[in-house]
Amino acid sequence: EAGVAQSPRYKIIEKRQSVAFWCNPISGHATLYWYQQILGQGPKLLIQFQNNGVVDDSQLPKDRFSAERLKGVDSTLKIQPAKLEDSAVYLCASSDQNTYEQYFGPGTRLTVT
Amino acid sequence: DQQVKQNSPSLSVQEGRISILNCDYTNSMFDYFLWYKKYPAEGPTFLISISSIKDKNEDGRFTVFLNKSAKHLSLHIVPSQPGDSAVYFCAATGSARQLTFGSGTQLTVLP
Repeated sequence: EAGVAQSPRYKIIEKRQSVAFWCNPISGHATLYWYQQILGQGPKLLIQFQNNGVVDDSQLPKDRFSAERLKGVDSTLKIQPAKLEDSAVYLCASSDQNTYEQYFGPGTRLTVT
Repeated sequence: DQQVKQNSPSLSVQEGRISILNCDYTNSMFDYFLWYKKYPAEGPTFLISISSIKDKNEDGRFTVFLNKSAKHLSLHIVPSQPGDSAVYFCAATGSARQLTFGSGTQLTVLP
């Protein structure tokens, strides 16, 4: 069974530029999550989708971050414009609606200069 | 306001000995707890979990203990192996199924 796929793996941009990350969850997983992990900290939830609907985006900085999950499968997370403090690893995870365990992709390491 | 805390940033253990990683939480609404393992440049990998209705769950070399009254859980690895060297994250969740993570403990198993 294929795991959670993410791309790109690494991205370097200058502040005020925009960037987008892509995630393909495990097949059949209805719930998809985006996390931000800053160096030395644990992952922090940004947004949770159930199929193609948003369950919780209370931690998403909506003035610059946006996310969508069209057709309830793939998802994209966008930052526009980026700030220096957005430098982090962005992790995508998915889960079956009947379990608590979440399965993570390899992440995208973003560096904003 | 850290709802899940891992107070030891690092732990070193000799190969073959027991590794004990600790985690404390403050939110009484958490009812399910998980441990993840993370290697550099990879995403966290699910390791083991425990429901709040249990006090112990075992899977091979890994055992998780939950003390609800103390709001404390621990992960025991016996025997520890060099391949266990990684960052271990404790996470907790409730009915919303959103994970709240601790800051992680770097485990180093010395050969």
